[in-house]
Amino acid sequence: EAGVTQFPSHSVIEKGQTVTLRCDPISGHDNLYWYRRVMGKEIKFLLHFVKESKQDESGMPNNRFLAERTGGTYSTLKVQPAELEDSGVYFCASSLSPDSEAFFGQGTRLTVV
Amino acid sequence: DQQVKQNSPSLSVQEGRISILNCDYTNSMFDYFLWYKKYPAEGPTFLISISSIKDKNEDGRFTVFLNKSAKHLSLHIVPSQPGDSAVYFCAASPSGSARQLTFGSGTQLTVLP
Repeated sequence: EAGVTQFPSHSVIEKGQTVTLRCDPISGHDNLYWYRRVMGKEIKFLLHFVKESKQDESGMPNNRFLAERTGGTYSTLKVQPAELEDSGVYFCASSLSPDSEAFFGQGTRLTVV
Repeated sequence: DQQVKQNSPSLSVQEGRISILNCDYTNSMFDYFLWYKKYPAEGPTFLISISSIKDKNEDGRFTVFLNKSAKHLSLHIVPSQPGDSAVYFCAASPSGSARQLTFGSGTQLTVLP
């Protein structure tokens, strides 16, 4: 069974550009989470989807970040316009239920120059 | 301000000896704690967890200890093996589950053969 997959694995963009990250959760997992690790520091929670609904988006840093999960399957995280401080590794995770183990993808390394 | 702190960025241990990784937290609302292991270019993988109603949880070579009064937890690996070399993240949640995790900054464990 495929795990959580994220695309792309790396992205280098210029400040002011737009980038869209994609996450495909494990099939059947209604719960999908986005996290990010900035500058090798702690991994921080961004938001939590239950199917297509945003259950908790308290970790989203500002309105330059937009997450969607149309149809309750894959999710996208768009950064527009990107700033230098957005550089980091963005992780996606999914779980069967909110109380069950969350499985993480390999992450997307975003570099804004 | 970091709510989950791993003050040792790195730890080296001889194969066969015990590895002890430490983690401190500040938020009294955290009631569920997890350890994740991360290899390069991969996402974090769940290792072991503990609920705040317990002070110890053991799974094979891995044992997690929780000291609620000190807001401290530790992961013991014994005996340590070279394959255990990875970054270990401590994580905490206020919801009794793996939702909305707050991670520490990680400790790089190197097990020397």
